[in-house]
Amino acid sequence: KAGVTQTPRYLIKTRGQQVTLSCSPISGHRSVSWYQQTPGQGLQFLFEYFSETQRNKGNFPGRFSGRQFSNSRSEMNVSTLELGDSALYLCASSLGAQGQETQYFGPGTRLLVL
Amino acid sequence: AQSVTQPDIHITVSEGASLELRCNYSYGATPYLFWYVQSPGQGLQLLLKYFSGDTLVQGIKGFEAEFKRSQSSFNLRKPSVHWSDAAEYFCAVARMEYGNKLVFGAGTILRVKS
Repeated sequence: KAGVTQTPRYLIKTRGQQVTLSCSPISGHRSVSWYQQTPGQGLQFLFEYFSETQRNKGNFPGRFSGRQFSNSRSEMNVSTLELGDSALYLCASSLGAQGQETQYFGPGTRLLVL
Repeated sequence: AQSVTQPDIHITVSEGASLELRCNYSYGATPYLFWYVQSPGQGLQLLLKYFSGDTLVQGIKGFEAEFKRSQSSFNLRKPSVHWSDAAEYFCAVARMEYGNKLVFGAGTILRVKS
């Protein structure tokens, strides 16, 4: 079974631009969560989607948004990029959304904002 | 407030020596507890998890962890470290009412001396 895939793997953008990251979960998984990883703030939860509905959202500004499609693939969008948005963005998928699920992480998309 | 503390930022052990990585949490009722490992340039891989029952849980790669409610701790152990264990280790917590949202500790970087 293929793992979680994220595209693109690397991305360079300039301040003020917007970016869309994609996550394809493991086949059959209906939950997708997104995390931001930075050296200063560590791993922080962005949001979780289950069956196309956002179930939880972290403490990030409205510039960060996401969605999930009927095939469970998910995208996250960051508008008006700031230097501080430079980070590794990880997505994770799981079968359900009850908290005790094993979440499988993708390799991440490394975003650099110049 | 929900928090996870990993007091050791860096740990160095000799190959073949035992290892213990500390994790303390503050999350109200007994949460779901996880340990993840991240190798450079990789996503996160689940080592083990605890929900209930036996407080000593076994994971992959020879790791185990012990849940101690009285100390709000979930320390990770391995009796004999291998050079390939060098990586960053993250303790994380979740609660059913928050879905799959994981709150991570800051991580502990493990270096293995040969």
